[in-house]
Amino acid sequence: DVKVTQSSRYLVKRTGEKVFLECVQDMDHENMFWYRQDPGLGLRLIYFSYDVKMKEKGDIPEGYSVSREKKERFSLILESASTNQTSMYLCASSFSGRRSYSYNEQFFGPGTRLTVL
Amino acid sequence: SQQGEEDPQALSIQEGENATMNCSYKTSINNLQWYRQNSGRGLVHLILIRSNEREKHSGRLRVTLDTSKKSSSLLITASRAADTASYFCATAGDLYNQGGKLIFGQGTELSVKP
Repeated sequence: DVKVTQSSRYLVKRTGEKVFLECVQDMDHENMFWYRQDPGLGLRLIYFSYDVKMKEKGDIPEGYSVSREKKERFSLILESASTNQTSMYLCASSFSGRRSYSYNEQFFGPGTRLTVL
Repeated sequence: SQQGEEDPQALSIQEGENATMNCSYKTSINNLQWYRQNSGRGLVHLILIRSNEREKHSGRLRVTLDTSKKSSSLLITASRAADTASYFCATAGDLYNQGGKLIFGQGTELSVKP
């Protein structure tokens, strides 16, 4: 079974702190994604990566950065946390569409509920 | 940007009834996928239908796709209380050049009462 794990289920941070959210997948997936989910707004893509050291902005990258030094790990960084970044953060991964058996199905981690005070 | 629009936003039914959720999208697709999310958890992939398919079944799930209307529906038959969750559609465009991006709908919140 594909496993996507996230470093914390719940996290409470103070405004201005630097926050790291870690995501690890064990299925050799090329693609990894970070989303945030807020009531009434659905899933919004923050950043994604299709290869090691590669990153692409999603729909709402402002205030965030990412790091992908190893294929299995994708980190989301909040350089200076703000209260409007209080949200549920979801990590996902998938095989590259260049693999013949891949249709880009994504596998999600359990989510990190971040509260910024 | 969210391409998928789901309808209804919320649905409440009794156990044993069927639940139908609809999804519309705007651009051409390679495939359309449905995901389920239990409260406070990550999403789980349920079923995928390719653009050249019209209908697909998996257990109590039935998905249809009408590419001329750019719409899909998910039918859950003989619903159970355990089906209570949010359901999302997601579309995949060019498999090779979009880095695996999916575009998710806003979701339908299904409540099945025992």
